[in-house]
Amino acid sequence: QLQLQESGPGRVKPSETLSLTCTVSGDSIASTSYYWGWIRQPPGKGLEWIGSIYYSGSTYYNPSLKSRVTISIDTSRNQFSLMLNSVTAADTAVYSCARLNYFDLYVDLWGRGTLVAVSS
Amino acid sequence: QTVVTQEPSVSVSPGATVTLTCGLRSGSVSTSYYPSWYQQTPGQPPRTLIYITDTRSSGVPDRFSGSILGDKAALTITGAQADDESHYYCVLYMGSGIWVFGGGTKLTVL
Repeated sequence: QLQLQESGPGRVKPSETLSLTCTVSGDSIASTSYYWGWIRQPPGKGLEWIGSIYYSGSTYYNPSLKSRVTISIDTSRNQFSLMLNSVTAADTAVYSCARLNYFDLYVDLWGRGTLVAVSS
Repeated sequence: QTVVTQEPSVSVSPGATVTLTCGLRSGSVSTSYYPSWYQQTPGQPPRTLIYITDTRSSGVPDRFSGSILGDKAALTITGAQADDESHYYCVLYMGSGIWVFGGGTKLTVL
């Protein structure tokens, strides 16, 4: 069954780096038909697109986060990852990985999300 | 910075029709932005409703429809039901691999 599963620490200290991995099952992450992305949602707030990656390794980032974000892909493990450095309490959120349709440019599959709290 | 606008909250009576909109603080929304719409209930991941302006995702009831109305993208729910009470988010594709979410609309059915 096609699904996306986020994994990583549930708590990160201020000024440190948040690292998450999304494991894709039921589909090849090397597909030319999709981008793979990260989206977050602070508690009680709306959704925010963080960035996306194509199987080739091309990356696209939210301009407001670009200086702190790195997204990478590992096709051999069928995974892609998010790193967000210099985190503050404002980065506390549910982080979700997603599949974005390359041709129709929309999110067609969502992970369930994982809560990451920034706290000392 | 691009800002995508949505009504923060909208109310509708059961059985009535309601339209939610998705605009740009600066400029008009067209099909070139590939507007898509998502429904989210508390504690759940979003559900894709509409993509490329007006195409319903698989399994989405036909009471949900998308369009361009004037200078905004629109999501219309015809015959609102109690379980349509949710948050609704639009997303616009800005080009060059960049997407922007709207702030979301909380729909109340009462």
